[in-house]
Amino acid sequence: EVQLVQSGAEVKKPGESLRISCKGSGYTFTNNWINWVRQMPGKGLEWMGRIDPSDSYSNYAPSFEGHVTFSADKSFSTAYLQWRTLKVADTAIYYCARQNCDGDCKPDFWGQGTLVTVSS
Amino acid sequence: QSVLTQPPSVSAAPGQKVTISCSGSSTNIGKNYVSWFQQFPGTAPKLLIYETYKRPSGIPDRFSGSKSGTAATLAITGLQTGDEADYFCGTWDSSLSVFWVFGGGTKLTVL
Repeated sequence: EVQLVQSGAEVKKPGESLRISCKGSGYTFTNNWINWVRQMPGKGLEWMGRIDPSDSYSNYAPSFEGHVTFSADKSFSTAYLQWRTLKVADTAIYYCARQNCDGDCKPDFWGQGTLVTVSS
Repeated sequence: QSVLTQPPSVSAAPGQKVTISCSGSSTNIGKNYVSWFQQFPGTAPKLLIYETYKRPSGIPDRFSGSKSGTAATLAITGLQTGDEADYFCGTWDSSLSVFWVFGGGTKLTVL
């Protein structure tokens, strides 16, 4: 069974750094890109970008380029989303989703989400 | 402002049919497959439709997808109260570089 399990909720102050994780199981982790998706409170889904766990090559959506960093440790089947300097506006739920490219590429299995709260 | 445009809300009675539209452009829906996702409050999105009209295993055939030009449609027949959720469309966009875009989401209310 494919599963993506994300790290727990975080409460941080503006200016602090943070790294959240997404651990894959039930499939060969390096065979599928991992997408990161943001959902701000009461809002829709925003694609942040994706990472290829086999070599850590990443694509970033223009709105997120330079503010977040994706990484992956294939030995632990885990992808990471990192901020060096958090802002209040980063408060959101962050989802990871496996990219399935059997046919068209699409996010098929999703993690449960990590709530990040940034408040002074 | 989302790249793909969906109505904020739709509603229908149990047993009826509802359609949710997703409007895009020639750089996204016009040239790529469309996916649809279902999200219940407090839970992660779930893939409902992929490659415009295909259903993952376990998704009932009450859910169907279609596309015409730069617009896609999700149809739900035989509405059930358990279908009440948010629905998002998504596809690839190649206007500047290749990246994924979502619609703003549609809240389905089953009256």
